[in-house]
Amino acid sequence: QVQLRESDPGLMKPSETLSLTCTVSGGSINYYHYYWIRQPPGKGLESIGYISYSGSTNYNPSLVSRVTISIDMSKNQISLRLSYVTAADTAVYYCARGFPYSSIDSWGQGTLVTVSS
Amino acid sequence: QSVLTQPPSVSGAPGQGVTISCTGSSSNIGAGYAVHWYQHLPGTAPKLLISGHNNRPSGVPDRFSGSKSGTSASLAITGLQAEDEAHYYCQSFDSGLRLVFGSGTKVTVL
Repeated sequence: QVQLRESDPGLMKPSETLSLTCTVSGGSINYYHYYWIRQPPGKGLESIGYISYSGSTNYNPSLVSRVTISIDMSKNQISLRLSYVTAADTAVYYCARGFPYSSIDSWGQGTLVTVSS
Repeated sequence: QSVLTQPPSVSGAPGQGVTISCTGSSSNIGAGYAVHWYQHLPGTAPKLLISGHNNRPSGVPDRFSGSKSGTSASLAITGLQAEDEAHYYCQSFDSGLRLVFGSGTKVTVL
């Protein structure tokens, strides 16, 4: 049973860069797409972007200027960097996995990121 | 603002059925991309409920079913149970191969 676990950056200040890592265990990292998805308080799910196991990426147009997703096959890790965070970036951030252009079959437990001065 | 539109809430008495719509466009659902459905309980990760038009992962009761027509899709829940009270989201892809979600629907069991 594959497991995904996000790191916990906790509290951040405006203008800082958010760095999150997702560690995949219990299964091969190959053949899947890996997603970063967030849910602001009281709102719905929002896709941040995804990366294939081969390294190709696709980002939400509203975030593309601030986001970078990368993959380290040797460590079974997927990383998210979001620059210049504001209070609007406060959300639960999920790492997730799915077959290319299909459903998402595995999710991390989520990590709450709070941006506050 | 979500790319796919869902009603904010639906409700039904125990044992009754409800249907949740997911409306997209010719750039996503209408372009032929499959629609998937997730159940989301507070404090937990979303759970895949329906994959594709009507494929249920192991353990998902057959009270849940999905359908798709044109630029829309629907999730039907029959025989509502108290444990079905949750938020439900549809998901697809758009012509830019971007992952898109519905706005979410809160199901209340009266």
